[in-house]
Amino acid sequence: GEDVEQSLFLSVREGDSSVINCTYTDSSSTYLYWYKQEPGAGLQLLTYIFSNMDMKQDQRLTVLLNKKDKHLSLRIADTQTGDSAIYFCAVNNYGQNFVFGPGTRLSVLP
Amino acid sequence: NAGVTQTPKFQVLKTGQSMTLQCAQDMNHEYMSWYRQDPGMGLRLIHYSVGAGITDQGEVPNGYNVSRSTTEDFPLRLLSAAPSQTSVYFCASSPGAGGDEQFFGPGTRLTVL
Repeated sequence: GEDVEQSLFLSVREGDSSVINCTYTDSSSTYLYWYKQEPGAGLQLLTYIFSNMDMKQDQRLTVLLNKKDKHLSLRIADTQTGDSAIYFCAVNNYGQNFVFGPGTRLSVLP
Repeated sequence: NAGVTQTPKFQVLKTGQSMTLQCAQDMNHEYMSWYRQDPGMGLRLIHYSVGAGITDQGEVPNGYNVSRSTTEDFPLRLLSAAPSQTSVYFCASSPGAGGDEQFFGPGTRLTVL
């Protein structure tokens, strides 16, 4: 089955850019998502990209997709302390269940 | 809209006890699912439902039962709690199974002693 991998931790300084990476194994994955989880809360959708796209930009967020390498990244520009959270990569196809990565805990240092 | 609601927020059980985690959504979503979240393992799918009367197993279904008698409600039953079921449980719903945003509840933190 599908396997989604992420590094578990990332620390950045406030004001720097953060890049969170994700790799997946199923090349037929059609929908790729980034979710954010703040402490004690559920997951909230940040952004998503379809597999026929290479890039999507939404304010401070940029998603890059490399289909050949099955690699997805999330770049957060001008990272703020409020961006400290766990970020989950998730993939699925139409009619199939979501598969989540283990989550990357982003710590933003002042 | 309340979105996805879960009760209780916290629960402590003794080994062997049974309980039901409640989940409800008011968005008329067909697809609902239960996940457990454990450190370093992300979210693992326990059971899911594609509509009222239809349920199926996910990745880690052992020790859990579900039913879907209405579109709104999707309770998760622990039959005989074990310490390995200590986890945070999330319920989620979406209009369909793929290509749609999943909306998550706030979670239930369960401890089994």
